[in-house]
Amino acid sequence: DIVLTQSPDILSLSPGERATLSCRASQSLSVAYLAWYQQKPGQAPRLLIYDASTRATGIPDRFSGSASGTDFTLTIASLEPDDFAVYYCQQYDVFPETFGQGTKVEIK
Amino acid sequence: QLQLQESGPGLVKPSETLSLTCTVSGGSVVTSSSYWGWVRQPPGKGLEWIGSIFSTGSTSSIPSLKSRVTISVDTSKNEFSLKLTSVTAADTAIYYCMRPAGYIANWGQGALVTVSS
Repeated sequence: DIVLTQSPDILSLSPGERATLSCRASQSLSVAYLAWYQQKPGQAPRLLIYDASTRATGIPDRFSGSASGTDFTLTIASLEPDDFAVYYCQQYDVFPETFGQGTKVEIK
Repeated sequence: QLQLQESGPGLVKPSETLSLTCTVSGGSVVTSSSYWGWVRQPPGKGLEWIGSIFSTGSTSSIPSLKSRVTISVDTSKNEFSLKLTSVTAADTAIYYCMRPAGYIANWGQGALVTVSS
């Protein structure tokens, strides 16, 4: 299985700051089939980014994704109060599909 | 707009079978080239892909659960189902139904299933 390792586990930032979340795959993805999700307490995950860098419908442009080899990055340009949540990456290039362990973005 | 809704018992005894149904509205489970599936999340932990079923009826599930998982579709009711046999406390989780296209754009709200005697 492809293991996705997210870092850091917890990111403490203030509103207006830039957030950079990392997701490293244990092996190369033949295609950049990686997605990012946001999850708030008591809610289902929400798709933010797919194919490593394509924003899902309705997602603000302060969210962006990028890829470099086995390293994938989710950037939130300027944190809004609504952005404090847990973020997961997921690969769908190789069966079985796998998720990272999550990064919690908390208010500093 | 596609909507998914899980339903089923919230409490299952150890060694018994967990059964959940996902009702689909705003779309059809027989849409060609469509997948339907399940993800779970133990309380306070991360997400785990369970498995999926294609519109042709072919299924796949993660190796660690394969021997215990059945995913099926009922086209007459426009729903699909998950059965997980021989459950233990480790199967306690929020179970989400979803429509994957590799990534998952459509999720149900989730159903908490607790395994306890």
